[in-house]
Amino acid sequence: NAGVMQNPRHLVRRRGQEARLRCSPMKGHSHVYWYRQLPEEGLKFMVYLQKENIIDESGMPKERFSAEFPKEGPSILRIQQVVRGDSAAYFCASSERAGTGDGYTFGSGTRLTVV
Amino acid sequence: GIQVEQSPPDLILQEGANSTLRCNFSDSVNNLQWFHQNPWGQLINLFYIPSGTKQNGRLSATTVATERYSLLYISSSQTTDSGVYFCAVSSGTYKYIFGTGTRLKVLA
Repeated sequence: NAGVMQNPRHLVRRRGQEARLRCSPMKGHSHVYWYRQLPEEGLKFMVYLQKENIIDESGMPKERFSAEFPKEGPSILRIQQVVRGDSAAYFCASSERAGTGDGYTFGSGTRLTVV
Repeated sequence: GIQVEQSPPDLILQEGANSTLRCNFSDSVNNLQWFHQNPWGQLINLFYIPSGTKQNGRLSATTVATERYSLLYISSSQTTDSGVYFCAVSSGTYKYIFGTGTRLKVLA
């Protein structure tokens, strides 16, 4: 069991470029959650997706950020026209069922640096 | 929403020492996890412990849900234990709320 796979591990973008972060959930998991960790802070919830559906995006910034979880392939967190304040670590988690029970598993994160 | 406080915020230990990290939460929860974020930024699950006590090698954890706190014990600390320890709680939803962490540095 490979666990939750995120790539790339590190991503450097210039201001104004687009960033695409990928998350492949654990086998058998159809629920995906994205979190953001700003420097020196804990993780904060951004969005919850099931296959082809966004369930809760209450933690997503209103502009430039979007997420998808297509029927086939990984979940994608997309940040358009990145700014320095987007520099952070982005973590994905997945679960077999909705909820935060045992089995809610985090990936190793993608560290985004905007220069 | 639920508030999560962790203490101490920073901790420096000599190798071989023991320590106790605390997590207080402001409301009842039904899920709680402890994580270790290593110096490379990876998040490693240590315990899923909504109640009771668990042990894994030199680490153990206890959650007293009725009193709204959890403790993480590290015995015979090693330099590889350095990093940030997070407590995360949830109450009947799919979102975890994280504390701000305890930054641990173990000196050789």
